[in-house]
Amino acid sequence: KNEVEQSPQNLTAQEGEFITINCSYSVGISALHWLQQHPGGGIVSLFMLSSGKKKHGRLIATINIQEKHSSLHITASHPRDSAVYICAVDSGNTPLVFGKGTRLSVIA
Amino acid sequence: SQTIHQWPATLVQPVGSPLSLECTVEGTSNPNLYWYRQAAGRGLQLLFYSVGIGQISSEVPQNLSASRPQDRQFILSSKKLLLSDSGFYLCACYRRDKRETQYFGPGTRLLVL
Repeated sequence: KNEVEQSPQNLTAQEGEFITINCSYSVGISALHWLQQHPGGGIVSLFMLSSGKKKHGRLIATINIQEKHSSLHITASHPRDSAVYICAVDSGNTPLVFGKGTRLSVIA
Repeated sequence: SQTIHQWPATLVQPVGSPLSLECTVEGTSNPNLYWYRQAAGRGLQLLFYSVGIGQISSEVPQNLSASRPQDRQFILSSKKLLLSDSGFYLCACYRRDKRETQYFGPGTRLLVL
């Protein structure tokens, strides 16, 4: 079974800072997801990627298949970015395996 | 894109009472469907998943059960709720053949007293 590790567990940043959240996994995958969970509990899918890099607004996700590692970057962070960010991996034959999440707080 | 409906949004139930949470999906056919639970302060835990009508796989043994009576309907049930069943329940949908991202419903917050 794939083991998914996220770091850091908690992160506090000042508004405007560049933020990086990391995700490592143990077994080869077909795709990796980055999810955002708002304080009310709702989850939104940010990215699904299997190679390279994707960008959406101020969010950038990268993945290195050889190193089994992905990063989520937030540029010019804002208080509304405060949420839990969750990494999940798809190994192809089994349901997604989730990391425990990174709780981000952006302070104005 | 898919839309996932869940109801109710919040629910307070006494210990020992039955439970039925419903999830329906629009905008796709033959999806994989999932029930997740998130207990307070913890990560997402997969409870059940289904690859088709009547096909249910259970990930965690417990007093919950799931059924998929129709292609786009997924139901989570319990005959007798426990205090430990409290949590946030999320339904999710995934089209593996189309390699689409996984979509989550709005969730149901359950409090068992």
